[in-house]
Amino acid sequence: AQSVTQPDIHITVSEGASLELRCNYSYGATPYLFWYVQSPGQGLQLLLKYFSGDTLVQGIKGFEAEFKRSQSSFNLRKPSVHWSDAAEYFCAVGEGSSASKIIFGSGTRLSIRP
Amino acid sequence: DAGITQSPRHKVTETGTPVTLRCHQTENHRYMYWYRQDPGHGLRLIHYSYGVKDTDKGEVSDGYSVSRSKTEDFLLTLESATSSQTSVYFCAISESGAETQYFGPGTRLLVL
Repeated sequence: AQSVTQPDIHITVSEGASLELRCNYSYGATPYLFWYVQSPGQGLQLLLKYFSGDTLVQGIKGFEAEFKRSQSSFNLRKPSVHWSDAAEYFCAVGEGSSASKIIFGSGTRLSIRP
Repeated sequence: DAGITQSPRHKVTETGTPVTLRCHQTENHRYMYWYRQDPGHGLRLIHYSYGVKDTDKGEVSDGYSVSRSKTEDFLLTLESATSSQTSVYFCAISESGAETQYFGPGTRLLVL
């Protein structure tokens, strides 16, 4: 069965610093991969997704992610974080022939140091 | 924002009572999903629907049932609520399986 691992439960970075959130997946074929963000008390919002093609994917809010098949990873990056980026971030993998089911990681909580 | 509403938004109930949560969409999307969110577990899929009267189980379906008699409504029922079902429940919709899922605002359920 597919699975997603986010090894970092909580990360704190200074405002203006770069960010990388880790995500590793387990899936037999080429996966559908997603990053979602959840602000406190809110639902989830899609940041970006990868289905095929260019392995570097650009998303909203200045985020990008890189698919590395050899490492089974899909890490999320941002060159310079803002205080408003403080939230919880979820990596997810699509399961099934049309990714009709999404399996989420347990999330990484991002705090921003002023 | 995608037109998704969940009702109720908050509910307190007692162990053993039935509970129904409603998800309503105005987007005419084919797929609808119910997740629960618990600390340390992220979101876990309970059930999903790929059309009217077409549903399938997710990874944590025990103790839950669903129904979808209209495109716009997806109901989640806890037949006999237990304290372990205390959680935040999110509904999501998607035009097709691999496309973006849009999430509702969530329902906080407390089972005493």
